[in-house]
Amino acid sequence: EVQLVQSGADVKKPGESLKISCKGSGYRFNSHWIGWVRQVPGKGLEWMGIIYPGDSDTRYGPSFEGQVTISADKSKSTAYLQLNSLKASDTGIYYCAKLGSAGYYLDPWGQGTLVTVSS
Amino acid sequence: QSALTQPPSASGSPGQSVTISCTGTSSDVGGYSYVSWYQQQPGKAPKLMIYEVRKRPSGVPDRFSGSRSGNTASLTVSGLQAEDEADYYCSSHAGGNNLHVVFGGGTKLTVL
Repeated sequence: EVQLVQSGADVKKPGESLKISCKGSGYRFNSHWIGWVRQVPGKGLEWMGIIYPGDSDTRYGPSFEGQVTISADKSKSTAYLQLNSLKASDTGIYYCAKLGSAGYYLDPWGQGTLVTVSS
Repeated sequence: QSALTQPPSASGSPGQSVTISCTGTSSDVGGYSYVSWYQQQPGKAPKLMIYEVRKRPSGVPDRFSGSRSGNTASLTVSGLQAEDEADYYCSSHAGGNNLHVVFGGGTKLTVL
């Protein structure tokens, strides 16, 4: 079974940093793009960016370029999303998901990581 | 890239059919056969329901179907069941050579 398991929920103060992990199993992790999506409470889905673990080719969504860092450790079958200088507006659920073989669709998704930024 | 446009809500009675629209442009929805639909139940991660406009992943009931006309894609749920009540999001390739995806704002489907 193809599965993505994310790190647990976290609470941070404004200005702090956080690195979320996403571990893949049940498929060749190095050979499929992993995407990251944010969902602000009560709102829709926002595309953050993608990474190809095989060579760490990374593409950032226009709204997140320079704001986050996406990386991967293929030896651990794990992708990461680093959030720096956190603000209250970064509060939300962050999902990783595997891109389909032909690209442009996400399946499956990780369970999501709730990040709360509060002083 | 701008978000795709979905109606905020839709509803239908059990057994009825409901169609949710997703409007983009010729640079995304209308330009590529890469429209997908996701179902999100409360407190859960999104689940892929339709990909490449009309293809259904294994395990998704054939009550769910996708189509596209011009710059507007649609998700039709036939034979509505109570468990279909959820938020539905469309997405599309955002155009260009960057593998980016753009999402719709989501539609809350209520089964009356």
